[in-house]
Amino acid sequence: SQTIHQWPATLVQPVGSPLSLECTVEGTSNPNLYWYRQAAGRGLQLLFYSVGIGQISSEVPQNLSASRPQDRQFILSSKKLLLSDSGFYLCAWSVLGGRINNEQFFGPGTRLTVL
Amino acid sequence: GEDVEQSLFLSVREGDSSVINCTYTDSSSTYLYWYKQEPGAGLQLLTYIFSNMDMKQDQRLTVLLNKKDKHLSLRIADTQTGDSAIYFCAEIKGSSYKLIFGSGTRLLVRP
Repeated sequence: SQTIHQWPATLVQPVGSPLSLECTVEGTSNPNLYWYRQAAGRGLQLLFYSVGIGQISSEVPQNLSASRPQDRQFILSSKKLLLSDSGFYLCAWSVLGGRINNEQFFGPGTRLTVL
Repeated sequence: GEDVEQSLFLSVREGDSSVINCTYTDSSSTYLYWYKQEPGAGLQLLTYIFSNMDMKQDQRLTVLLNKKDKHLSLRIADTQTGDSAIYFCAEIKGSSYKLIFGSGTRLLVRP
């Protein structure tokens, strides 16, 4: 069966510090991978998605970046965090032609607080 | 989620029915989804409807789709306290990989 992991679960970082959030998927090959941010009391904002190793599409200009060094690993990074980067970060995966077209499976999330 | 709109909050009494509404903008959407997010957790797919359907029933859940008005609703019968969560509707834009989510409706079930 497929599982998706995210870590850390919670993170408190000072403004200006770097960030690295990791997401890994098990039990599937060549998934589409996604990073979302959910700000307090708001909906989901798609930040990045990837359809293969080294292929990253950015949805929103910001001081965040994403990388996909391996097929089932997706990393969200920042060189210098801003207060506005606080939120709940969710990683998700999907496969084309799955049981339900583009059904996305979400990880447990990372709650980031920037102080 | 500016393309998909939902009301932000709904409060119902335990045992009553809940109806969560959503409007979307892309008439070419092939699938429309309802996701559930429990506190502090990720999202889980609750149910979905294919665009050529008007209604789908799955145990206590009923999804209604009005393509003319681009309106989607989720009805939860006999709402329980465990149904308290945020419910997101989402659409797929054409043949893209991306889901467009609404802002989510927070459902509170009062005992």
